[in-house]
Amino acid sequence: GENVEQHPSTLSVQEGDSAVIKCTYSDSASNYFPWYKQELGKGPQLIIDIRSNVGEKKDQRIAVTLNKTAKHFSLHITETQPEDSAVYFCAASKGSSYKLIFGSGTRLLVRP
Amino acid sequence: NAGVTQTPKFRVLKTGQSMTLLCAQDMNHEYMYWYRQDPGMGLRLIHYSVGEGTTAKGEVPDGYNVSRLKKQNFLLGLESAAPSQTSVYFCASSYDRRGQETQYFGPGTRLLVL
Repeated sequence: GENVEQHPSTLSVQEGDSAVIKCTYSDSASNYFPWYKQELGKGPQLIIDIRSNVGEKKDQRIAVTLNKTAKHFSLHITETQPEDSAVYFCAASKGSSYKLIFGSGTRLLVRP
Repeated sequence: NAGVTQTPKFRVLKTGQSMTLLCAQDMNHEYMYWYRQDPGMGLRLIHYSVGEGTTAKGEVPDGYNVSRLKKQNFLLGLESAAPSQTSVYFCASSYDRRGQETQYFGPGTRLLVL
């Protein structure tokens, strides 16, 4: 079945620096790749997503890139702020399935 | 709108006891999902529903049952709880498109099985 690997498991950056989280997926039929942010004690919340017909998508300080050939996608956060501290999950799905397969998560700490 | 709500927030069970977790959404979503979250393992799909009266198995369905008698509610049952079911359980819902639209998550239920 589909597998999604996520790295790193923890990431500590200085406020103002950039953070990059990387994911690889196994099923070449996957065509939808969302990123979720989970704050302490809360459920995950979608922050950005990308579909396989697009190579890059930006939303203010957040961007996601997709390399279909290599089967990997990445989340980029620029000018990090303390409120960016959270656990981030990548996920993948394909049109023939109702399922989202999640990565194992990255705990991001932004140091003031 | 309350979005997705889950009850209870926290529960302690003894091995062999049963319980039901309730998920409710007020967004008129067709699709609903139950996940479990364990350290270092992300979110794993237990069961899901594509509409009222339907249910289907996810990645880790063993030991759980579900029902979707009303469109707005999705129940997760544990018939005989085991310590391996200690986890945080999240319910989610989405409007459309086979897992390829935004899933809205509830706040979670923390379950401890002794």
